[in-house]
Amino acid sequence: AQSVSQHNHHVILSEAASLELGCNYSYGGTVNLFWYVQYPGQHLQLLLKYFSGDPLVKGIKGFEAEFIKSKFSFNLRKPSVQWSDTAEYFCAVNARNGGYNKLIFGAGTRLAVHP
Amino acid sequence: ETGVTQSPTHLIKTRGQQVTLRCSSQSGHNTVSWYQQALGQGPQFIFQYYREEENGRGNFPPRFSGLQFPNYSSELNVNALELDDSALYLCASSLAPGGGETQYFGPGTRLLVL
Repeated sequence: AQSVSQHNHHVILSEAASLELGCNYSYGGTVNLFWYVQYPGQHLQLLLKYFSGDPLVKGIKGFEAEFIKSKFSFNLRKPSVQWSDTAEYFCAVNARNGGYNKLIFGAGTRLAVHP
Repeated sequence: ETGVTQSPTHLIKTRGQQVTLRCSSQSGHNTVSWYQQALGQGPQFIFQYYREEENGRGNFPPRFSGLQFPNYSSELNVNALELDDSALYLCASSLAPGGGETQYFGPGTRLLVL
């Protein structure tokens, strides 16, 4: 069965620390990969996505993610976090050639950044 | 450009009742998907609507049903509510139904079943 695993449920960092959130997926076919973010009191927003091409993807607000096909991973990184990055982060995957768009989400990682 | 909107924002129902949640898709988007997000979990796919028909479904029983209207807005109906149906229900719209499209989410409707 298709699944997405996010290794850290809660992460606490100080401002300016580096961030890496792990994401592994299990799926037999070719996939599209996403990171969504949910800031406190706001709706899910797309942070970045990978469909094809360069496996290092840059998103909004200085975030990037690297697709490593051999490891079935799509880890999210940011070199220096800010207090405003406090949010919940979700990794998601869908089938690239699927007839319909079923996103499979991980359980999420709650990030708290202290000033 | 108007984003995805959902109504109501919050709802309280009792077990056995029926509920209807509404979603307006983002301008220009013809495909709507619904997700259930239980507390502490990621969203789970319920179904997707395209051209007023259900064109994909997740692991949810038939008491979860939906509609899509000619203006691409959508409804999610849940019959015979159970306590476990308490969750945040998210609507997402996209330009087309295929797997290569990005989904844009609304703010959600929080349902509490007592």
